[in-house]
Order: sequence, then structure tokens, then C-alpha cells
Amino acid sequence: EDQVTQSPEALRLQEGESSSLNCSYTVSGLRGLFWYRQDPGKGPEFLFTLYSAGEEKEKERLKATLTKKESFLHITAPKPEDSATYLCAGTSGNTPLVFGKGTRLSVIA
Amino acid sequence: DTAVSQTPKYLVTQMGNDKSIKCEQNLGHDTMYWYKQDSKKFLKIMFSYNNKELIINETVPNRFSPKSPDKAHLNLHINSLELGDSAVYFCASSQVQNNSPLHFGNGTRLTVT
Repeated sequence: EDQVTQSPEALRLQEGESSSLNCSYTVSGLRGLFWYRQDPGKGPEFLFTLYSAGEEKEKERLKATLTKKESFLHITAPKPEDSATYLCAGTSGNTPLVFGKGTRLSVIA
Repeated sequence: DTAVSQTPKYLVTQMGNDKSIKCEQNLGHDTMYWYKQDSKKFLKIMFSYNNKELIINETVPNRFSPKSPDKAHLNLHINSLELGDSAVYFCASSQVQNNSPLHFGNGTRLTVT
């Protein structure tokens, strides 16, 4: 069964304190690894797709990377507005996205 | 313009009732989905549907049924509501089935009393 596991469950950072979120997956024949951001009361908002090991994508203070077993979302010098739940999801292409339980990020000014 | 819109945003109802949630997408996508997010924020697929096939997650009770009048709409009907159905339900769409980014609506919070 395809599974996606995210850690930590919650992360509290000071403004400017860089860190990384982890997403490990057991998806047979991974065809895509997706990162989303979810704000309270909103639907998940798409951030990145990674398709192959070694691939990296960047957007402002966020950088996503992918290895054969896991993906990382690196947050550089975060700001309070980066506070949200970050979701990771994977697919083999044969089934809809399987989501992890998310990491709740709080950035304190 | 809202890409994926759901109505209502909040739905409070009693056990045993039948209710529907509507979803519309204006992105021209071929595939639409329903996800359920429980109290621990875990998103689980319920259905995926394009104009060729409906794929049902086997764990979804048959009290839940998706209905698609056209490619831009996928409504969710729920019969005989139970307390455990309380959750946030998200509609989503994607350009290609399964392997392209999902675009989500803002969810419908269902509370069954």
C-alpha cells in the first residue's frame, strides 16, 4: 500500500531560523511527489511537483528536493507569513494522490 | 475568478438526513476528485472521476455517491448521515488523471449532530 509519512508533526521556528521538513514515501514506481501549503479554513494550495531523484524546485524562501526515498522542503529565513500546514503527496500514476498528515509550521516574529 | 468552488462552506445537519455538496471547476480539467479531511487534518481520497470512469475508494461507505452532470461539476450526495461523517470535504480537479497538480476548493465543513 502506498504511504507518505511526514515529520515533524509540528515545528516552531523563530523568524529567520532556517529548517527542513521531511517527507518519506513508499509509493511503488513514484511518478510524482507534490508539496502543498494549507492555511486554516482553506484548501491546499499547490507549491511544487518533483518527478525524479535529484530534482530541485524553488519558490521564494522554499526549496523542495527529492531523493529515491524521501523529499525535503527547505525553508530559508522564514517569515511569520510562512506559517501554515505543509502537505506532501505522492502518486504512482495509477491512483490519485496519497497525502501525508502534514507538518504544522509556526514562525514566530 | 475562483477556479474550484464548493457550496455550501458550512453544513450542519442531524443524523439520518440526506445532504448534497456541490462542486464546480472552471479550469477545463478532465478529472475531478473528492477528498475527506478528518479532525487530525489527514486528507483521504474518496472518489476520482473523469468522463470515462469513476474510481471509488473501497473504504468509502455506499451512502456516499458522486454525481457528475457534466465535466465541470462533481457533486457529492450523502444518505443517512452519521456522526462519523463529520469532517471537511474537499473537491479538487486536475488536468491529467492522477499525475498532475490538484487544484482544491476551500472545503465544506460538515457537522452531523
